[in-house]
Amino acid sequence: QVQLQESGPGLVKPSGTLSLTCAVSGGSISYNNWWSWVRQPPGKGLEWIGEIYHSGSTNYNPSLKSRVTISVDKSKNQFSLKLSSVTAADTAVYYCAREGDRGYSIGYWGQGTLVTVSS
Amino acid sequence: EIVLTQSPGTLSLSPGERATLSCRASQSVSSRYLAWYQQKPGQAPRLLIYGASSRATGIPDRFSGSGSGTDFTLTISRLEPEDFAVYYCQQYGSSPPRYTFGQGTKLEIK
Repeated sequence: QVQLQESGPGLVKPSGTLSLTCAVSGGSISYNNWWSWVRQPPGKGLEWIGEIYHSGSTNYNPSLKSRVTISVDKSKNQFSLKLSSVTAADTAVYYCAREGDRGYSIGYWGQGTLVTVSS
Repeated sequence: EIVLTQSPGTLSLSPGERATLSCRASQSVSSRYLAWYQQKPGQAPRLLIYGASSRATGIPDRFSGSGSGTDFTLTISRLEPEDFAVYYCQQYGSSPPRYTFGQGTKLEIK
């Protein structure tokens, strides 16, 4: 059973860069799956940020594309998110996730980590 | 970009009752690309239904999904206390954004 665990600073200053890492266990990041980041502002709905394949191919949400970079480290079986020029609107719980076994949905989620943007 | 609109925003029911949640898309969605999730406070979402009507692994058969085109429904046949949560529909896009979600329906105890 694949398990995902997010890690990174819980507080980021405005105009700074948010950096998170997702450690994958119970399976290889090199399997034929896409790995995603999804966020959820407090009390609000879900927003897909972007995804990466083990080859390094990425897709990003057009609304965030200019500020987002997702990368993969196959040697550590993990992938990472960087979001630049953050504002208070980027305060959210950030989830790393993997597509479901049948595709077209998200079948595996990390527990999520709250990142607050504040000075 | 396809927009998903869920209704109602809040649904107040009692255990044992039947719940019907709606998800309407701004344009036609392939049934293969429609999924439903359950989210409880402080937890990550959990995949319930994929392909509009297929239950994910371990999901009780009181949960069912149906629909096609622009109208999709999640039905919970007899509510259990643990079913009270927020439910999201999601569609998969052939181009980014890959996943878009409805705004959610909160199912609360009456």
